[in-house]
Amino acid sequence: EADIYQTPRYLVIGTGKKITLECSQTMGHDKMYWYQQDPGMELHLIHYSYGVNSTEKGDLSSESTVSRIRTEHFPLTLESARPSHTSQYLCASSEWAGPLNEKLFFGSGTQLSVL
Amino acid sequence: GESVGLHLPTLSVQEGDNSIINCAYSNSASDYFIWYKQESGKGPQFIIDIRSNMDKRQGQRVTVLLNKTVKHLSLQIAATQPGDSAVYFCAEKVEGQGGSEKLVFGKGTKLTVNP
Repeated sequence: EADIYQTPRYLVIGTGKKITLECSQTMGHDKMYWYQQDPGMELHLIHYSYGVNSTEKGDLSSESTVSRIRTEHFPLTLESARPSHTSQYLCASSEWAGPLNEKLFFGSGTQLSVL
Repeated sequence: GESVGLHLPTLSVQEGDNSIINCAYSNSASDYFIWYKQESGKGPQFIIDIRSNMDKRQGQRVTVLLNKTVKHLSLQIAATQPGDSAVYFCAEKVEGQGGSEKLVFGKGTKLTVNP
């Protein structure tokens, strides 16, 4: 079983608030990812990291930022939440094992609702 | 452009039957594909992967078939059980900006197993 944790599990906040979604993994994985997923829809990559001090933007335009100060921790921050940010946010990690072998382990997600 | 899609958004089968979930991809250069299962309220879970130098790979009760000629991927589940009810996503590894690699997920097929 994967050891990757996301908090909070559910979050309801008002427009304009600053929020940070937490993600931690205890597997020592170098690569970490944030995906956004609307109900029943595909996952969209918003940020990823190859390791400490590495952060990259994904495909989906996002007003969020990430940081990677420690291997195990990859928080996602929204400076000013808007209703359009309402979605599920999934964190994942993977251990590099070659270009044709990349198994992602996902957390349970944070369901964000912005009123 | 790159895209990964599924032919059917929903699939309903009887317990004990075999299930086949299909996926079409557009990037002929993709060399690695993965199937994920996502149960309600949880993050996606790795099922099985396949490299482009293979056309078939078997796991426990699951088989993935890859047809590179028509860019088609399928997941076969033998003797489907109620616990197999979930949304199934295929994912394709593509090269992103700056030579980075990323997974692109399809839209998902919701499998319902009827007792």
